[in-house]
Amino acid sequence: SAVISQKPSRDICQRGTSLTIQCQVDSQVTMMFWYRQQPGQSLTLIATANQGSEATYESGFVIDKFPISRPNLTFSTLTVSNMSPEDSSIYLCSVYNANGYTFGSGTRLTVV
Amino acid sequence: AQSVAQPEDQVNVAEGNPLTVKCTYSVSGNPYLFWYVQYPNRGLQFLLKYITGDNLVKGSYGFEAEFNKSQTSFHLKKPSALVSDSALYFCAVLPPRTGGYNKLIFGAGTRLAVHP
Repeated sequence: SAVISQKPSRDICQRGTSLTIQCQVDSQVTMMFWYRQQPGQSLTLIATANQGSEATYESGFVIDKFPISRPNLTFSTLTVSNMSPEDSSIYLCSVYNANGYTFGSGTRLTVV
Repeated sequence: AQSVAQPEDQVNVAEGNPLTVKCTYSVSGNPYLFWYVQYPNRGLQFLLKYITGDNLVKGSYGFEAEFNKSQTSFHLKKPSALVSDSALYFCAVLPPRTGGYNKLIFGAGTRLAVHP
């Protein structure tokens, strides 16, 4: 199955700033997925990123707040923009492969 | 609406005893079913999946899950729990693809606490 390297693993950020999270996959994949896991909650899909096209956002998530890049078939970034304490969550990227979905180790974001 | 239910927020079990973490789903057709585990400060790790075939699926770390189509359930089981199994467990369902792609639907998660 694919191996995903996600960074940073954690960060503490000031409100109003932005953080970019990176995911690198060891094989080419068509779709990459970005999830948010709020404290004590399940995973919520933010958007799906296809290479060469704009990301598809789920209800409640907008491109201005969560811009996504997908420059090639092995890499994607998610930016959390103009952060507020409500953005404090774990953010995970994911890809689909033979075993189902593989997830990155997550980025634990705390906004102060 | 399609959904996944994990009716127990937490399951407590003594080490060495069998454990069951319950999952039921409401999805039309024949979905793919998954279990993932999340240890503290870690991402999700794949445990096992059901696509077709034998209703009893064996996965990582001695876990297994039983698919029951009539009850639309996919309960996670282990014959003898270990303290190191203590973690957060997520059931997830991938609905049949009807065009484009379908989203993986997660349950709310069940926290498993195994006591020495």
